[in-house]
Amino acid sequence: DSGVTQTPKHLITATGQRVTLRCSPRSGDLSVYWYQQSLDQGLQFLIQYYNGEERAKGNILERFSAQQFPDLHSELNLSSLELGDSALYFCASSVGTKREKLFFGSGTQLSVL
Amino acid sequence: DQQVKQNSPSLSVQEGRISILNCDYTNSMFDYFLWYKKYPAEGPTFLISISSIKDKNEDGRFTVFLNKSAKHLSLHIVPSQPGDSAVYFCAAIRGKAAGNKLTFGGGTRVLVKP
Repeated sequence: DSGVTQTPKHLITATGQRVTLRCSPRSGDLSVYWYQQSLDQGLQFLIQYYNGEERAKGNILERFSAQQFPDLHSELNLSSLELGDSALYFCASSVGTKREKLFFGSGTQLSVL
Repeated sequence: DQQVKQNSPSLSVQEGRISILNCDYTNSMFDYFLWYKKYPAEGPTFLISISSIKDKNEDGRFTVFLNKSAKHLSLHIVPSQPGDSAVYFCAAIRGKAAGNKLTFGGGTRVLVKP
């Protein structure tokens, strides 16, 4: 158990809909990261938050947004969903922003039908 | 454009033998490399890392080798155990300003046969 909690584990929705994925980092971790793993793809970095502030941005679509709340949990919002958004979405956390190992949650499997 | 590539999607090895996983990168600005292991239905877990100032790092049964001139790194697992059966991801970080922003390879699935 990494200590990172992601909910829900599975999500099935239709095209055009909007969903919210939730992540609770390990106790004491201030950084939260979101990664997307599509079929036959490696993990793609989406976005990082540190102590409530956006820290780094990767290949995140404009239809996607994220935030980190004062209690340090984070939410990833995906809107106007398309079939291609079907993927495994991982959240990870670390203490700070320097080079240190990330602790990953078990992911949310999103299926867009 | 994949900057980190793992060209072998799968690897099968006998228990007790050596597993060698390879990873190539194209961006010479990468200066920190990591390996993560992933079991089904779980998130990746950190295995071992290496800075570009080194060419080898060892941790128990796991050794990572870095060849900067060839832009190549490898992970050696000796001896391989059935519990090592998992997907292994190579990842790279570009510069200290990138913090923990990881660029991952596509993964190599390892099967260790008893």
